[in-house]
Amino acid sequence: NAGVTQTPKFRILKIGQSMTLQCAQDMNHNYMYWYRQDPGMGLKLIYYSVGAGITDKGEVPNGYNVSRSTTEDFPLRLELAAPSQTSVYFCASSYLRTGGYEKLFFGSGTQLSVL
Amino acid sequence: AQTVTQSQPEMSVQEAETVTLSCTYDTSESNYYLFWYKQPPSRQMILVIRQEAYKQQNATENRFSVNFQKAAKSFSLKISDSQLGDTAMYFCAFMKHGGDMRFGAGTRLTVKP
Repeated sequence: NAGVTQTPKFRILKIGQSMTLQCAQDMNHNYMYWYRQDPGMGLKLIYYSVGAGITDKGEVPNGYNVSRSTTEDFPLRLELAAPSQTSVYFCASSYLRTGGYEKLFFGSGTQLSVL
Repeated sequence: AQTVTQSQPEMSVQEAETVTLSCTYDTSESNYYLFWYKQPPSRQMILVIRQEAYKQQNATENRFSVNFQKAAKSFSLKISDSQLGDTAMYFCAFMKHGGDMRFGAGTRLTVKP
């Protein structure tokens, strides 16, 4: 069982380059999230989605874009990479069921450096 | 917007002793969920315990328990009989009904032998 799969695991970008971080889950979860974690800090919510076709901004959305065309996939796009976007990026998913909320399932993270 | 505050950047405890990590949150929501996650050096995020705001009874999971004070907007984590494997970053998290989950800045816990 794959769970939440993030690719790539590591990436180095030059300032101004663009890239897409991929995230896929095979658990039929309706909720998906993108977080960034700067060194020694907590997780900051970038964007989240409560279902296919629905996305919303989190705490730190500037410089990023997302889409959710399917339940399984939730890619994160960096259009013009900046050094401030150097961070570890985590994708997560969860399922809101009747009567309660399930835990987040996290991907293994993407270490991104912008030089 | 919801905010989550962890006022203890670092804590340490002797093996087998008890430690309490603090967390406060600010929200106007009435329906929400609270979590504690553990992040060891492997960077993996592990759910420790969760609490639904509508439940008055404090959640417990083996050596882990919470003290949920809804009126005070406080959600502390107590770890009993601390073990070396408990050494990690601990994050408190808040989620309103509807999907927006926010994390605190974390507390680095070191369990000393």
